[in-house]
Amino acid sequence: ETGVTQSPTHLIKTRGQQVTLRCSSQSGHNTVSWYQQALGQGPQFIFQYYREEENGRGNFPPRFSGLQFPNYSSELNVNALELDDSALYLCASSSRRNANTGELFFGEGSRLTVL
Amino acid sequence: DAKTTQPNSMESNEEEPVHLPCNHSTISGTDYIHWYRQLPSQGPEYVIHGLTSNVNNRMASLAIAEDRKSSTLILHRATLRDAAVYYCILRAYSGAGSYQLTFGKGTKLSVIP
Repeated sequence: ETGVTQSPTHLIKTRGQQVTLRCSSQSGHNTVSWYQQALGQGPQFIFQYYREEENGRGNFPPRFSGLQFPNYSSELNVNALELDDSALYLCASSSRRNANTGELFFGEGSRLTVL
Repeated sequence: DAKTTQPNSMESNEEEPVHLPCNHSTISGTDYIHWYRQLPSQGPEYVIHGLTSNVNNRMASLAIAEDRKSSTLILHRATLRDAAVYYCILRAYSGAGSYQLTFGKGTKLSVIP
């Protein structure tokens, strides 16, 4: 069984640029969510995708956007990068069937540094 | 959103039991109590979850107070590999079939050889 994989693992951008992060969900999982984890903090929910539609969003501005593809993989896009966007971005997949009780499977994250 | 309160850090000796407490006084009747842990340089890892009754699995046990306002994660024999940040989370329904995890800062567990 293949776990959640994320790419790239590390990247550096400058303020104002745009970034795309990618996530392949665990086999059989149709729901993907994204979290932002600043240094020393717990992860914060950005949004969730199911059947290629966003169906839940945390307190993040519209410049954070995403996509989910028919194979359930996902992208997180961040426009107009700010210094505070520097963080570890985590992708988690789950099965909709177990939405309220099932566990989330997290990838190891993409560490973004904005200079 | 319902919130949880955990100690910032705890220490345990190797091979001794560890009890990690969590307070969630504003929990609603439909919130599930989840525990995740995050080892250094890794994403969070599911540990256990429960609703009302105590739960056991191969990793840990979860003891839930009768009023559900607190819970305790029990590691029966701590090993060095259990050193991690442990998050107590209330998994809440946020509409349109979406369930999100609201993480706090968690408890950093150190295991002493």
